[in-house]
Amino acid sequence: SQTIHQWPATLVQPVGSPLSLECTVEGTSNPNLYWYRQAAGRGLQLLFYSVGIGQISSEVPQNLSASRPQDRQFILSSKKLLLSDSGFYLCAWGGTKPSPLHFGNGTRLTVT
Amino acid sequence: AQSVTQLGSHVSVSEGALVLLRCNYSSSVPPYLFWYVQYPNQGLQLLLKYTSAATLVKGINGFEAEFKKSETSFHLTKPSAHMSDAAEYFCAVSDNTNAGKSTFGDGTTLTVKP
Repeated sequence: SQTIHQWPATLVQPVGSPLSLECTVEGTSNPNLYWYRQAAGRGLQLLFYSVGIGQISSEVPQNLSASRPQDRQFILSSKKLLLSDSGFYLCAWGGTKPSPLHFGNGTRLTVT
Repeated sequence: AQSVTQLGSHVSVSEGALVLLRCNYSSSVPPYLFWYVQYPNQGLQLLLKYTSAATLVKGINGFEAEFKKSETSFHLTKPSAHMSDAAEYFCAVSDNTNAGKSTFGDGTTLTVKP
C-alpha cells in the first residue's frame, strides 16, 4: 500500500533562518506531488505542485521554493524565513485525474 | 477557474442528530468533487469522492453526499452524529488536467454535543 512521510512534525525557526521540509512517498510511481499551506481557520492554499522529476509549478509568488530531486521525494525550502511563513504545511500525492489526494501528517512551522 | 464555497464555518449538532455540511462549487468543466476530514494536527483523510458516476456517493464512517448539478452543490450528510465525528471538514474540487490540482473550501468545524 502507499504511504507518505513528512517531517519534521513541528519546527520553530527564527526569522531569517533557512528552511527545508521533506516529503517522501512509498508504494507508487510517478505520483503528482503537492505542497499546501493551511493558515489557522482557513482552507488549504496550494503552493507548489509537480508532475515529474525536476518539474515544479508555483501557484503563489512567495518566499518559498520547491524541488523534486527524485520521483517520490518533494522538498520545500526557503533561504530566509519570514514571520508570515508560519503555518501548517501539508504534503500530498495524487494520481492522474480524477484522483483524490493523500496527505502527510503535516509540519507545523512557527517562525519567531 | 474553479472554486468551492462552504457555507458555515462552524456547525454544532447533538449526538444522534443529522449532520449536514454544505458545499457549493463553481467549475467551467464537469467537476470532480471530494470531501475530506481533518483531525487536530493531522493531515486530511478522504471521506468520499464524486467522479461523474452515481450522484449519491457513499463514503466512510456513514457519510454520504449528493451531487446536484442544477444547484451546483455537493452537501455532506450523516443521519446520526457520533462524538467521534467532531473534526474539520473540507470540500474540494479538482481540475481535469493531468496535474489534478485541487481547490479547497475554507472548511467547516463540526462540534458534536453529548
